[in-house]
Amino acid sequence: DGGITQSPKYLFRKEGQNVTLSCEQNLNHDAMYWYRQDPGQGLRLIYYSQIVNDFQKGDIAEGYSVSREKKESFPLTVTSAQKNPTAFYLCASTEPGQSNYGYTFGSGTRLTVV
Amino acid sequence: AQSVTQLDSQVPVFEEAPVELRCNYSSSVSVYLFWYVQYPNQGLQLLLKYLSGSTLVKGINGFEAEFNKSQTSFHLRKPSVHISDTAEYFCAVDTNAGKSTFGDGTTLTVKP
Repeated sequence: DGGITQSPKYLFRKEGQNVTLSCEQNLNHDAMYWYRQDPGQGLRLIYYSQIVNDFQKGDIAEGYSVSREKKESFPLTVTSAQKNPTAFYLCASTEPGQSNYGYTFGSGTRLTVV
Repeated sequence: AQSVTQLDSQVPVFEEAPVELRCNYSSSVSVYLFWYVQYPNQGLQLLLKYLSGSTLVKGINGFEAEFNKSQTSFHLRKPSVHISDTAEYFCAVDTNAGKSTFGDGTTLTVKP
């Protein structure tokens, strides 16, 4: 079955450490997204990519970085510059354009600073 | 710019009662509208979408929503809820730019 795989499901980060969250899709979608979810704040866009080797900052990109070297992969790195990284991170994909069928989401990664 | 307001942060209802979750949006161009459901510690799942055509759209799990352009609303309804409908629900808007904006969510709690 096609879908999005996020790993790991749970991740613990020490102060000053960079960590990378994995997102892989086999839906052949061009567009991929990273959202951060905090209680009561809904989803906030971190980065998005609409084509391989290109990506744009979202609303809260500071302290995060991404790459899009392959169509199926869009990893997110949470750097030490992100001062409050504890959150639930969601990856999504879609086919943009006239037939926007909504997003397919992964099952998320819960990141905790220890 | 586009924005979404979900008017109720929490909606408690009894099992088998009807429910309406309210969503208003703001956009200067034509929009696509979506409702998603999220169960605890999971990703979001698409419930239904409005792209064009009939303003009443039906989705999975017996939910439906009505697009009202004059009131810029897209309220979600279900005539009879079940315990299993307890979850968080998100309204989202997209302007064909491929970048959706989400509301803050409504927590639906169905009580026996």
